[in-house]
Order: sequence, then C-alpha cells, then structure tokens
Amino acid sequence: GQNIDQPTEMTATEGAIVQINCTYQTSGFNGLFWYQQHAGEAPTFLSYNVLDGLEEKGRFSSFLSRSKGYSYLLLKELQMKDSASYLCAVVDSNYQLIWGAGTKLIIKP
Amino acid sequence: DGGITQSPKYLFRKEGQNVTLSCEQNLNHDAMYWYRQDPGQGLRLIYYSQIVNDFQKGDIAEGYSVSREKKESFPLTVTSAQKNPTAFYLCASTDLAESYNEQFFGPGTRLTVL
Repeated sequence: GQNIDQPTEMTATEGAIVQINCTYQTSGFNGLFWYQQHAGEAPTFLSYNVLDGLEEKGRFSSFLSRSKGYSYLLLKELQMKDSASYLCAVVDSNYQLIWGAGTKLIIKP
Repeated sequence: DGGITQSPKYLFRKEGQNVTLSCEQNLNHDAMYWYRQDPGQGLRLIYYSQIVNDFQKGDIAEGYSVSREKKESFPLTVTSAQKNPTAFYLCASTDLAESYNEQFFGPGTRLTVL
C-alpha cells in the first residue's frame, strides 16, 4: 500500500526554526508537494520537489531525498501566522496525489 | 481574477437527503478533483475528471456521484447511501499541460448532516 508519515503535532516558539519531516512509501514517485492549511480553509501551495536537494523560498525551504523516501519542510523566523497544518503530498506513478495526514504546527509567543 | 469557487461554505441537511455541492473554476484547467477531509486526517480523493464527460472514482467514491458536462463545472452529489457524510469537502483543479501538477483549491464546503 501507499503510505505517507508526518508527525501529528509540533510546537515551536515565535522567531525560532522548525523542521517538519515527511517519509513516504508510494508506487512510483513523480514529485512531492508541501501545502499549508489554516484551520477551516483550503490548502495553499508552498513548494514542489522532484529532484534531490534543497529548494529555498524566503523563510521556507523544502528538502528531498528520493533514495531515502524522505522530505522535510524548514520554516525559519517563525511568526504567529505560521500556526497551521502542513500537508505533505506525493505524486505517484499514476500522477495522482497521495496525501499525508498533516502536521499541526503550534507557535507560542 | 481566476480561481475556484465552491458554494455554499456551510451546508446543513437532514439524514436521508441527497445534497449537491457546487464547484466552478475559471482557470481553464483540464482536471478537477473532489476531496473529503475529516478532522485530523489528510485529504481523501472521492472523484476526479481529466476531460469533459469523463470522470474516475477515487479511493472513497461509494455514496457519491459527479458529473462533468462543462469544463468549468464539477458538481458533487452526496447521496443518502453515504454512511457518514458530515465532513469538509474540497474541490481542486490542475492544468495538465504544466510540468508539475500543482492543485489549486476552492474554499471548501463544510457539510453537516443532522
């Protein structure tokens, strides 16, 4: 079966750095997405990785290792508005998105 | 402004009634998707469509039906056969011509069955 694992919940302090991990086992791999979802709202796109390595976009960076079936999302200089769920999703061999359950990130002052 | 609209944002229905959730996009995207999200869970695919007049079942299609008569529209009907329909429903679309299939989401409809 296909499986994506993320921690259920994480807590971090405003101004700090947090790393959210995602491991996956899927039938094929055609890329990995990270989305942000605030409570009661739609997910919004953060990043896409298809090759190994680090992609940096402002305060957010995403890393991929295809050989390890592993990705992480790194958030720097945390702000209160970063309190949200972060969803990892893998594009499988049929080009369908397989979604993780999401990591709820709580930012404390 | 291009985007995806879903209406209504909140919907209440009595048990045993069918209900149709609307999804419209003006992004000229080929593919459209319906997901269901329950508290603490990820998105689960109900149905998807890559072309007008064609659609495919996702992982949890039982108790749901869709149509795709126009490229812009992909309504979802939650039938009385769906055992536990109370959930947050998200519609998404993607441009299949793009190199990676980023999905764009509508604001969602929260359905509560009483």
